[in-house]
Amino acid sequence: SQTIHQWPATLVQPVGSPLSLECTVEGTSNPNLYWYRQAAGRGLQLLFYSVGIGQISSEVPQNLSASRPQDRQFILSSKKLLLSDSGFYLCAWGRITYNEQFFGPGTRLTVL
Amino acid sequence: EDKVVQSPLSLVVHEGDTVTLNCSYEVTNFRSLLWYKQEKKAPTFLFMLTSSGIEKKSGRLSSILDKKELFSILNITATQTGDSAVYLCAVYPESSYKLIFGSGTRLLVRP
Repeated sequence: SQTIHQWPATLVQPVGSPLSLECTVEGTSNPNLYWYRQAAGRGLQLLFYSVGIGQISSEVPQNLSASRPQDRQFILSSKKLLLSDSGFYLCAWGRITYNEQFFGPGTRLTVL
Repeated sequence: EDKVVQSPLSLVVHEGDTVTLNCSYEVTNFRSLLWYKQEKKAPTFLFMLTSSGIEKKSGRLSSILDKKELFSILNITATQTGDSAVYLCAVYPESSYKLIFGSGTRLLVRP
């Protein structure tokens, strides 16, 4: 069966510090991978998606970036965090486009 | 602009009640609609609907899609305290990788 991992589970970072969140998927190959952010009490906003190694599409202009160095690894990064980057970050995978997406456990980021 | 609107925003019921959650959408060339349940952490997948009028059912939960009127409903019968969660509706427009989410309905089931 497929599983998706994210770490860390929680993170508190000062403004201006760098960020690296990691997501890995097991039990499947060539998944579509997604990064979402959820602000408190709101729906999910798609940040990035990837259909293959090295292929990244950005949905929202911001100071975040994503990379996919391996087939089942997706990384979300920032060089300098802003207060507005606080939120719940979710990684998701899907087998093919337009199909179900399955979410990882999430990382709760607080920027102070 | 594509959008998904869920109602009500929040709902409080007692165990054993039946609830209906609503999701309406405006998207360019609809492809599919998905329902998720989110408790304290990650959303868990419930249903995906692509065809109008065909009910999807899992235990006490069921959902149906009306592509003509552009909405879906999620029914929960004989609610239990474990049904307390935020229920999210999301839609895939045609030719897009982007799932568009509604803001969710927060359901609280009291014992």
